Amino acid sequence: KAGVTQTPRYLIKTRGQQVTLSCSPISGHRSVSWYQQTPGQGLQFLFEYFSETQRNKGNFPGRFSGRQFSNSRSEMNVSTLELGDSALYLCASSLPIGMNTEAFFGQGTRLTVV
Amino acid sequence: AQKVTQAQTEISVVEKEDVTLDCVYETRDTTYYLFWYKQPPSGELVFLIRRNSFDEQNEISGRYSWNFQKSTSSFNFTITASQVVDSAVYFCALNTGFQKLVFGTGTRLLVSP
Repeated sequence: KAGVTQTPRYLIKTRGQQVTLSCSPISGHRSVSWYQQTPGQGLQFLFEYFSETQRNKGNFPGRFSGRQFSNSRSEMNVSTLELGDSALYLCASSLPIGMNTEAFFGQGTRLTVV
Repeated sequence: AQKVTQAQTEISVVEKEDVTLDCVYETRDTTYYLFWYKQPPSGELVFLIRRNSFDEQNEISGRYSWNFQKSTSSFNFTITASQVVDSAVYFCALNTGFQKLVFGTGTRLLVSP
């Protein structure tokens, strides 16, 4: 069974640009969550999608957005990039049964903003 | 507000030593789930265990064991006879709804031969 796939693995962008990251969940998983990991702030929840609807959102500015497609694949977009957006972005998929289901994570996309 | 505290930033042990990673959580919810994840250098978070707030039984899985105590809001993780392959960053996390995990800051474990 294939795991969670995130593309690309590495990205270098210039301040002010925008970026789109992609996440393909495990087959059958309909919930996709996104997290930002930085040395200073640690792992922080960005948002969660289920059946193409955002169910939960973390405390991030509106420059961070996401969406989910009918096949459960998800994308997140960051507009007007800032240096502080440099981070490892992790995607997780899970069966949306409830809070007791574990999330399976991808290897992440490492974004560097210069 | 939910919060997870992992006070140990980094732990260094020699192979075959036992090591305990501490996790203290805060939540006002009566129903919640606690998790431990391992993050190797490759970056992905690997699920280790899940525990719900109504089940305080300790659990053992091979060299790994977990001690959940609601009275002290702690969910500690012990590795017995550590191995070099255990070197990683370990995260404790709390889920109180809809796949939103609140993570601790992580504990980096270094196991030397």
